[in-house]
Formats: sequence, C-alpha cells, structure tokens
Amino acid sequence: GENVEQHPSTLSVQEGDSAVIKCTYSDSASNYFPWYKQELGKRPQLIIDIRSNVGEKKDQRIAVTLNKTAKHFSLHITETQPEDSAVYFCAASITGTASKLTFGTGTRLQVTL
Amino acid sequence: EAGVVQSPRYKIIEKKQPVAFWCNPISGHNTLYWYLQNLGQGPELLIRYENEEAVDDSQLPKDRFSAERLKGVDSTLKIQPAELGDSAVYLCASSFGAAEAFFGQGTRLTVV
Repeated sequence: GENVEQHPSTLSVQEGDSAVIKCTYSDSASNYFPWYKQELGKRPQLIIDIRSNVGEKKDQRIAVTLNKTAKHFSLHITETQPEDSAVYFCAASITGTASKLTFGTGTRLQVTL
Repeated sequence: EAGVVQSPRYKIIEKKQPVAFWCNPISGHNTLYWYLQNLGQGPELLIRYENEEAVDDSQLPKDRFSAERLKGVDSTLKIQPAELGDSAVYLCASSFGAAEAFFGQGTRLTVV
C-alpha cells in the first residue's frame, strides 16, 4: 500500500520567515495530495490540495508544489504568523479523492515572535 | 452549517470494557469515515461508508471493532473489549461524494 513520509517532525521559525514541509510518497499511482492543519485539541482542517495534473498551486501565503517524477510534494508558508503554529499533515490518495487517504506523521510548526 | 459532530469528546474506561463512539456527519454528506489517530501520528483510516454500505473496512480490526451506519446518516463505532493499546483519538469525517473530507473534533479514548 501507499507509504507517506514527512519531514521535518518539528519546525521552528521566526514570525515573518518562510516554512517548508516536505513529503514523499511511494505509490506512483497517487494523484491527489491534500494538506491538513491541526491546532492543539482541534480537528484537522484542509488548507490546500493539489492533483497530479498540476505542478504548483498557491492560495495567498500558502503554496504546494508537486514533483511526480521524484514522488515528493511540499508545503510552503510565507510570511509566517503566530496563528500558523499547528501540526501539519500531508496525505496522498490513489483515487483522486479523499476516499483513500494515507497520511504522513505530521510536522509541528512553531512560529515564534 | 453545522460541522461533523462527535460524542463523547473524552472517554476513560477500564480495559476489557466496551465503549462506543457516535458521529453525526454534515447534512447531505453520503460518505462517512472513521479514523484512528495515535499520539504524534497522522490519522489512519479504519472504515469508510458510502451511504449505509461499508465499502472499505480493510483496516478495521474486526475481532474487537465494529461499526454501523443505519439509515446512511449517523454512525457508531464500537470496541469490545477495549485494550490498553486502543487509547487514541477516534476521528469521524464526512464528505459529499469525492469532495473534501471534513473532520469532527474526535473522541479521545483512554483505556486504563
């Protein structure tokens, strides 16, 4: 089955700096890659997703890039703010939908003042 | 619009006791998921329903776990008997077809 690895497990950046989280996946058939943000004690929430027919997608301060050849995708957060502090999970799916998601182990992002 | 509602939020039980979790998905969402989230890990799919049919339960430990989704709306997940290793957060999520999955806040289970 699919295996998703995520790095780093923890990331500390200063407010205003950029943060990058990287994931690799094993199944070349995977074609849907969402990113979820989970604040402490709260539910995971989708922040951005990308499909395999697109190399990059941007939404304000958040962007995701996908390299199908290397089987890796990354989350980029620019101009980080304290409210960006949370655990971020990447996921991959071979169905093109959320119906069969395999999640990474998460990255705890801490934005310091 | 109300989100996915789960209850209880927290549950502490002794090992070998039964426990049940309840999930009310977003109205109109035909797909419902139960995920297990261990501390420091990503969610892992236990079972997925399309309406009232369990279409993917390959990761559900069927010797002690069971689930149902009567009438294709609310769902319950049961563990009987619970073991110490079952301590985790149990997340329910729902979606309309193949669209984005929305998660509930989860039930944190502690087995002592």
